[in-house]
Amino acid sequence: AQTVTQSQPEMSVQEAETVTLSCTYDTSESDYYLFWYKQPPSRQMILVIRQEAYKQQNATENRFSVNFQKAAKSFSLKISDSQLGDAAMYFCAYRSPDQTGANNLFFGTGTRLTVIP
Amino acid sequence: ETGVTQSPTHLIKTRGQQVTLRCSSQSGHNTVSWYQQALGQGPQFIFQYYREEENGRGNFPPRFSGLQFPNYSSELNVNALELDDSALYLCASSSGPTAPYEQYFGPGTRLTVT
Repeated sequence: AQTVTQSQPEMSVQEAETVTLSCTYDTSESDYYLFWYKQPPSRQMILVIRQEAYKQQNATENRFSVNFQKAAKSFSLKISDSQLGDAAMYFCAYRSPDQTGANNLFFGTGTRLTVIP
Repeated sequence: ETGVTQSPTHLIKTRGQQVTLRCSSQSGHNTVSWYQQALGQGPQFIFQYYREEENGRGNFPPRFSGLQFPNYSSELNVNALELDDSALYLCASSSGPTAPYEQYFGPGTRLTVT
């Protein structure tokens, strides 16, 4: 079974600075999808960025980028120019491309990000 | 375009009771997945419904059951509630049952079992 590990329960960053959140995963599959989700106090899970394992190029979405190291099974999220609105729980998630619904999203335990004004 | 909605927002039940949670999928989506998020944890997959049929299930007992209706809205039913069922229940809809279809999450229902 796939497992996703987030070893940083809490992180903090000064406003306008850069922070990196870590995620490692374990899988025997060669093709899969990785995601970072943000969950603010409103509880609604919002997709931040996603990476297809077959793509070597790291995904980027505005101030958010990932460092995907497939051999090391590592998938970190970098947030540049941090803003107060970035404060939230961040979850790393894995999904197999399996054609059944049984292999759905596997989430890590989350990292709580605090942004200091 | 209306996003994913869930009702109720909060719910308090007693151990042994039954509960029904509801989810309205986003317009154009035919797939709904349900997740349980215990306090301080990441969400755990319960099951998925695609075109009114259950087509995948996580490691949850049979007292967790569901339905999907012709308009693709969905219900999660939990029988014989236990204290450990206290959690945030999230539903997510998508336009297909597998990756790469993105899952759009609702705001969740907070269930407390006393």
